[in-house]
Amino acid sequence: GEDVEQSLFLSVREGDSSVINCTYTDSSSTYLYWYKQEPGAGLQLLTYIFSNMDMKQDQRLTVLLNKKDKHLSLRIADTQTGDSAIYFCAEKAAGNKLTFGGGTRVLVKP
Amino acid sequence: GAVVSQHPSRVICKSGTSVKIECRSLDFQATTMFWYRQFPKQSLMLMATSNEGSKATYEQGVEKDKFLINHASLTLSTLTVTSAHPEDSSFYICSARDGTGGPLNEKLFFGSGTQLSVL
Repeated sequence: GEDVEQSLFLSVREGDSSVINCTYTDSSSTYLYWYKQEPGAGLQLLTYIFSNMDMKQDQRLTVLLNKKDKHLSLRIADTQTGDSAIYFCAEKAAGNKLTFGGGTRVLVKP
Repeated sequence: GAVVSQHPSRVICKSGTSVKIECRSLDFQATTMFWYRQFPKQSLMLMATSNEGSKATYEQGVEKDKFLINHASLTLSTLTVTSAHPEDSSFYICSARDGTGGPLNEKLFFGSGTQLSVL
């Protein structure tokens, strides 16, 4: 079955870059997503990448996809205190179902 | 971006009562909506997939008689937790699929979630 894994926690200083990593197992994934969840709130779609791409940049966000290694990363440039949140990666494979990773809690220190 | 409205945001109820949660897509038609459950500090677990005008598809281990899903229109899906018990206390999140841009531009948008506490 599908399995998506992320590291639990990341601490970063304001102004530095953050890199959140994600690995997945399903080679039939079509889309991979990054979502942001702030306390007590739903998920906000940050960005997504189609599986035939290896990079996507959107303002401060850069997504890298290594399909061979089934590795996805999200880089946040110039991290701000408002970026403190839990970040979930998710893959969409057959059946149009999303499988989420466990989430990475990002803490931005001033 | 598209907006999905979920209500209520928080509900406290007595054990044995039923609670209805609504999920609305405000500016697009959602033929498919999804219901997730999230335990504290854990990831989201898909409970069921709801297609407009047909019965919901439940994930393994999710009791369909316990979690009633109705997707009566292209903009509204409801989840009713029947005869709620303390173990049903959780954060429930809906999402709606916007497929109007075609398969390559398909997106999912999430509601803000409902924190259910059953006493």
